[in-house]
Amino acid sequence: ETGVTQSPTHLIKTRGQQVTLRCSSQSGHNTVSWYQQALGQGPQFIFQYYREEENGRGNFPPRFSGLQFPNYSSELNVNALELDDSALYLCASSLDQGGYTFGSGTRLTVV
Amino acid sequence: KNEVEQSPQNLTAQEGEFITINCSYSVGISALHWLQQHPGGGIVSLFMLSSGKKKHGRLIATINIQEKHSSLHITASHPRDSAVYICAVTASGSRLTFGEGTQLTVNP
Repeated sequence: ETGVTQSPTHLIKTRGQQVTLRCSSQSGHNTVSWYQQALGQGPQFIFQYYREEENGRGNFPPRFSGLQFPNYSSELNVNALELDDSALYLCASSLDQGGYTFGSGTRLTVV
Repeated sequence: KNEVEQSPQNLTAQEGEFITINCSYSVGISALHWLQQHPGGGIVSLFMLSSGKKKHGRLIATINIQEKHSSLHITASHPRDSAVYICAVTASGSRLTFGEGTQLTVNP
């Protein structure tokens, strides 16, 4: 049984650039959620994908977008990066409303 | 006011001590989760609760649905237990709403 894999683990981008973060969900899981965790704070819900459809969105602007693929892996895209987008981005997969498996996160720094 | 509140924010203990972290929530939930986050960011799911009590090794989690309150207990604490412990709830859909976390440091 594989866990959740996120890539890359770290990256540095310049303000205004675009970034794509990737998440491979745990085998058998059909739901992927993305969270943003600023330093010293709890994670905040960005959006969730269930069977390739967006299934809920938090309070994030449209420049945060995502995809889920037929194999249930997922991407998070952020356009027009701002300094405040610097954070740890976490992906979690689950089967329907069962328990969650988290990835190790992608640390994004915007300079 | 956050939907999920944890206390304390920071906790320092000596090895061997019994530790309790509390979580209160203000919304109806389908499940409550206790998570552990180590430096570097990775999160490990410790428990998922909808009622009663669960035990795994030295960790015990309880939930009181009527009072909207949960506790995480660590018996015989050890320095390797040092981490951030996060309470999260599943309310609408299956999204998680997180507390701010409790930074636990266990000194030898």
